[in-house]
Amino acid sequence: NAGVTQTPKFRILKIGQSMTLQCTQDMNHNYMYWYRQDPGMGLKLIYYSVGAGITDKGEVPNGYNVSRSTTEDFPLRLELAAPSQTSVYFCASNTARTAPLHFGNGTRLTVT
Amino acid sequence: TQLLEQSPQFLSIQEGENLTVYCNSSSVFSSLQWYRQEPGEGPVLLVTVVTGGEVKKLKRLTFQFGDARKDSSLHITAAQPGDTGLYLCAGGPVIQGAQKLVFGQGTRLTINP
Repeated sequence: NAGVTQTPKFRILKIGQSMTLQCTQDMNHNYMYWYRQDPGMGLKLIYYSVGAGITDKGEVPNGYNVSRSTTEDFPLRLELAAPSQTSVYFCASNTARTAPLHFGNGTRLTVT
Repeated sequence: TQLLEQSPQFLSIQEGENLTVYCNSSSVFSSLQWYRQEPGEGPVLLVTVVTGGEVKKLKRLTFQFGDARKDSSLHITAAQPGDTGLYLCAGGPVIQGAQKLVFGQGTRLTINP
């Protein structure tokens, strides 16, 4: 079982460039999440989805967009990369309510 | 906005010693979760505490939820090098079935052989 898979593992972007961080899960989980983790700051929720076609903002959504066309995939889009978006991005999923979150291994993004 | 503060942020001790990590808030949480994260990996859930005053044990790790459900602690007995990692507490409301977790900033624990 692969669980939650994120690609790429590392990426360097120039200011103003765009990219999509990919996330896919094979556990048939309805709920999916995107977090960012800055050094010494814990994880902050960017966007989440309760099912295909339904997404909502988290704590820090500015500068990001998401879509959820299938149960398996939840890509995160950065349209105009800024240095403040340098971070490690984690995708997670769970079945419902207080079920454990399953995290991917993250994408380390540097914007210079 | 609910906030979680962890202390200490960094802790380095010798193998065999005991330690306690704290997670505090001014807000009431319906439950709190503890995760451990190793370098290059995502967090992995250790335990969820739900009831005020609840104590859960996971081998040498003991988790406690405060009576008022505003704080939690993690106690490790006879720490081993394998306990090294980043420990995160998290909690938050369930909205439309989704957990909108808030995370503490973490405690980076190093156990020296």
